[in-house]
Amino acid sequence: SQQGEEDPQALSIQEGENATMNCSYKTSINNLQWYRQNSGRGLVHLILIRSNEREKHSGRLRVTLDTSKKSSSLLITASRAADTASYFCATAGTTTGGTSYGKLTFGQGTILTVHP
Amino acid sequence: SQTIHQWPATLVQPVGSPLSLECTVEGTSNPNLYWYRQAAGRGLQLLFYSVGIGQISSEVPQNLSASRPQDRQFILSSKKLLLSDSGFYLCAWSVIRGRSEQYFGPGTRLTVT
Repeated sequence: SQQGEEDPQALSIQEGENATMNCSYKTSINNLQWYRQNSGRGLVHLILIRSNEREKHSGRLRVTLDTSKKSSSLLITASRAADTASYFCATAGTTTGGTSYGKLTFGQGTILTVHP
Repeated sequence: SQTIHQWPATLVQPVGSPLSLECTVEGTSNPNLYWYRQAAGRGLQLLFYSVGIGQISSEVPQNLSASRPQDRQFILSSKKLLLSDSGFYLCAWSVIRGRSEQYFGPGTRLTVT
């Protein structure tokens, strides 16, 4: 079943503006990850935030995590046309007995279009 | 560095024909391996995952099967394709003990006619 739900489904902005995408999930998690997919390509891992972290930065990316609300946001600052892609959040569930199979549950994604 | 390959990149097959998609990983040992399917404009659905040679777990009942004959080789198969098997198939790997980031191949676009 799909756990992550991204909002909005599509986002259209101008180059230089910031883009914010949100993700909500339903069950307890070990970590939450964001991926990017260019049209017709495989996914590329962007950033991972652990359940005990609240904020993480990587270049122009800023991710927040609120486990009490079961939600996360991805902010891309000073967007570029090359940022045009689909963005997915994915959750890694908590494990029992210390065994992790690394399974992820992906949301439906946000399609971001950045106009030059 | 690690690399993941998938082939073919594109495939058009008639209903009822067999299917074999292959995925290989280079530069790592004993990875977790995954097969996903992505419908147009949608998220990823996990089909199978494997934690070792010959160890396959199926996530959803379907017309497909998976095998892992070698440590870094993962194969997705079907004996008879259905129209509903059309989609974009992605293979991915992750380290067995780690933070579970996954690394994806370029995907195979399958169209069943």
